[in-house]
Amino acid sequence: EIVLTQSPGTLSLSPGERATLSCRASQSVSNSYLAWFQQKPGQAPRLLIYGASSRATGIPDRFSGSGSGTDFTLTISRLEPEDFAVYYCHQYGTSPRTFGQGTKVEIK
Amino acid sequence: EVQLVESGGGLVQPGTSLRLSCTASGFTFGDYSMYWVRQAPGKGLECVSGISWNSGSIVYADSVKGRFTISRDNAKNSLYLQMNSLRPGDTALYYCAKVHVRGLGTFDIWGQGTMVTVSS
Repeated sequence: EIVLTQSPGTLSLSPGERATLSCRASQSVSNSYLAWFQQKPGQAPRLLIYGASSRATGIPDRFSGSGSGTDFTLTISRLEPEDFAVYYCHQYGTSPRTFGQGTKVEIK
Repeated sequence: EVQLVESGGGLVQPGTSLRLSCTASGFTFGDYSMYWVRQAPGKGLECVSGISWNSGSIVYADSVKGRFTISRDNAKNSLYLQMNSLRPGDTALYYCAKVHVRGLGTFDIWGQGTMVTVSS
């Protein structure tokens, strides 16, 4: 199975700052079938990015995804108060589908 | 409104069974693959099982293979997960999730989850 490793585990930033989250795969992700989700406490995950770089419906343009092969990045250009949450990457090109362990973005 | 609503969770003893249900509304359920994804308390996400639009393709995580069975009834807009021989390690919040395209895709719609606790 493809193992996704996210870094850092926790990112401490202030509102307005830029956040850069990394997701590294143990083998190449087929067709860049890589997604990013945001999850807040007590809520279901919310799809942000699919296909490595396509924003899901209704997602603000401060969220952007990039990468291919084994290295992917989620960037939040300017953190808003509502962006502090846990973020998961997910590969869906190879069975079994797998998730990274998550990166928590917390208020500094 | 596009919505998924799970039900059927609860507190059960190890070795027993439980059947989860997920009812969909607001979209053409029969057009999309569906998945069950679980999250143990304080932990990350794990894809448990998935089923194609016509039930022709079914996948399971190794951790549940042989114990769990996924099924769907497109006429009832419903997805199911029959869980047998439950173990404490199956304790988690179980989400049903819709695949975002008619084909290979990720999850664009999630339910609120139903909690399964396996404990003696």
